[in-house]
Amino acid sequence: GEDVEQSLFLSVREGDSSVINCTYTDSSSTYLYWYKQEPGAGLQLLTYIFSNMDMKQDQRLTVLLNKKDKHLSLRIADTQTGDSAIYFCAERTSGGYQKVTFGTGTKLQVIP
Amino acid sequence: EAQVTQNPRYLITVTGKKLTVTCSQNMNHEYMSWYRQDPGLGLRQIYYSMNVEVTDKGDVPEGYKVSRKEKRNFPLILESPSPNQTSLYFCASSADRNSYEQYFGPGTRLTVT
Repeated sequence: GEDVEQSLFLSVREGDSSVINCTYTDSSSTYLYWYKQEPGAGLQLLTYIFSNMDMKQDQRLTVLLNKKDKHLSLRIADTQTGDSAIYFCAERTSGGYQKVTFGTGTKLQVIP
Repeated sequence: EAQVTQNPRYLITVTGKKLTVTCSQNMNHEYMSWYRQDPGLGLRQIYYSMNVEVTDKGDVPEGYKVSRKEKRNFPLILESPSPNQTSLYFCASSADRNSYEQYFGPGTRLTVT
């Protein structure tokens, strides 16, 4: 079955880069996502990458996908205090319906 | 404004007292889903619906029911809540089953004593 793993916590200083890592098990993934959850709020889609891509850049965000190792990472450049949140990795597998499996979430703490 | 709404946002109840958490979307989405979020476990899917009158179990459906009588609404029903259903619940929708993006509601924090 599908399994998505992330480390639970990451602490960085304001202005540094943050790298949040994720591993997944299902080789039939079609999309891989990063969602952001701010305190008391729902999940907001940050970015996504097709499984046939290696990298995607969107302003301060860089997503790297190593399909061979089933490893996904999210790099946030020049991390700000407003980036403090929980970040969820998720994979969507191919099949009859939109099965999306979420990781456990990584809580990013940005120290001023 | 395109959105997914949930009510109530917070609920404290007692074991065995039936409750319903409502979910509504105004985007004419076909696909809707319920998740629960627990510390260290991420989000787990409870039930999903691909269209009106079409629902199916997710990964953790025990103790829950859903219905989809109208396209915009997808209520989550707990017939006899138990303390292990204390959790944060999210409703989500997407245009159809092939759409890449899900839109999430703000969440409902449920405590069962």
